[in-house]
Amino acid sequence: QVQLQESGPGLVKSSETVSLSCTVSGGSISSNYWSWIRQPPGKGLEWIGYIYYSGSTNYNPSLKSRVTISVDTSKKQFSLKLRSVTAADTAVYYCAREDYSTSSGGYYMDVWGKGTTVTVSS
Amino acid sequence: DIQMTQSPSSLSASVGDRVTITCRASQTIITYLNWYQQKPGKAPQLLIYAASSLQSGVPSRFSGSGSGTDFTLTISSLHPEDFAAYYCQQSFSVPRSFGQGTKLEIK
Repeated sequence: QVQLQESGPGLVKSSETVSLSCTVSGGSISSNYWSWIRQPPGKGLEWIGYIYYSGSTNYNPSLKSRVTISVDTSKKQFSLKLRSVTAADTAVYYCAREDYSTSSGGYYMDVWGKGTTVTVSS
Repeated sequence: DIQMTQSPSSLSASVGDRVTITCRASQTIITYLNWYQQKPGKAPQLLIYAASSLQSGVPSRFSGSGSGTDFTLTISSLHPEDFAAYYCQQSFSVPRSFGQGTKLEIK
């Protein structure tokens, strides 16, 4: 059974870059799309972007200028870099697997990490 | 980009009640609509995918319906563990987008 685990610094200073990683265990990273989603305190879910195992990416336009998602299949990890952070980037960051149903059609995020909290300090 | 709007934003109900949450997309998403449940301090969990397909392990009291722009999540008889937040999400196009959430509380 595939499991995901996020890792990264809990605290980052304003204007700096935060780097998070997500490690895939119990299955292969060499298929599926791999996503990042965040949730500010007390608020809803925001999709940041995803990467296909081959390296192709797609980002939320609201964050595209500051975000890079990459994958290292040899380490079974994918990563998020968010540049020039501000207090508005304080959130719980989740990684997730996006799978596809051949029977019903459509993509869905069926495996999620537990999340890692990123706090931006001034 | 596709906007997803859920209603209501919050809902009070009792154990045993039947509840319905609605989700509307700003354009047609066919049936590329997923529902998630999130409990406090936990990651979201997939309940329903492709509008009406029940994820493995999810109780049958959960059901989804709809197509085009209008969708519903129904819980046929609330259990105590169902009090949580619920989110819809479209997978028709990128960027993926979520509804703002519905918080289901105990009356």
